[in-house]
Amino acid sequence: EDKVVQSPLSLVVHEGDTVTLNCSYEVTNFRSLLWYKQEKKAPTFLFMLTSSGIEKKSGRLSSILDKKELFSILNITATQTGDSAIYLCAVEPLMNRDDKIIFGKGTRLHILP
Amino acid sequence: DGGITQSPKYLFRKEGQNVTLSCEQNLNHDAMYWYRQDPGQGLRLIYYSQIVNDFQKGDIAEGYSVSREKKESFPLTVTSAQKNPTAFYLCASSIHRREYGYTFGSGTRLTVV
Repeated sequence: EDKVVQSPLSLVVHEGDTVTLNCSYEVTNFRSLLWYKQEKKAPTFLFMLTSSGIEKKSGRLSSILDKKELFSILNITATQTGDSAIYLCAVEPLMNRDDKIIFGKGTRLHILP
Repeated sequence: DGGITQSPKYLFRKEGQNVTLSCEQNLNHDAMYWYRQDPGQGLRLIYYSQIVNDFQKGDIAEGYSVSREKKESFPLTVTSAQKNPTAFYLCASSIHRREYGYTFGSGTRLTVV
């Protein structure tokens, strides 16, 4: 059965700290891995990763994929209180006739001022 | 601006009642999805539809029903057969072979009273 496992499930740090969120997966015929940020309502897209070893960056956020070890990390440097959110990892299988994405349970990140 | 609109934002239901959650998109996306989100459970797929007049059950379809009479609309009915309907419901859409994952609506929080 395909699955996505995120860790930790919950994390509390102080403003200015750097955090690393983990996502491991077991998916038949991997196509892509996605990261979303969910603050209060709708998850918003952060990154899509398809190739191993290529870092994607957006400001203080960065993410990288390791297709051999089947995991991805999301790094946030110099955290701010606005980074407090649930971070969702999702994986899309290749040859996905049904167009479905498999989500992990998310990491709830809380930044203390 | 294009997007997905879910309504209502908050919904209260008495036990034994059916309720319908609305999801409308003007993105011209082919595929639409309904997810349920419970604390600590991540996103679980209820139903999805790739084309008009066709839909498939997801992982937790029991107690729910959907219709897809128009490309723009994918309403979800929570029936009295759903034993634990209190949750946050997210609707999403995507184009086929999307490059940016799903676009999500802002969600409906359903509470059974």
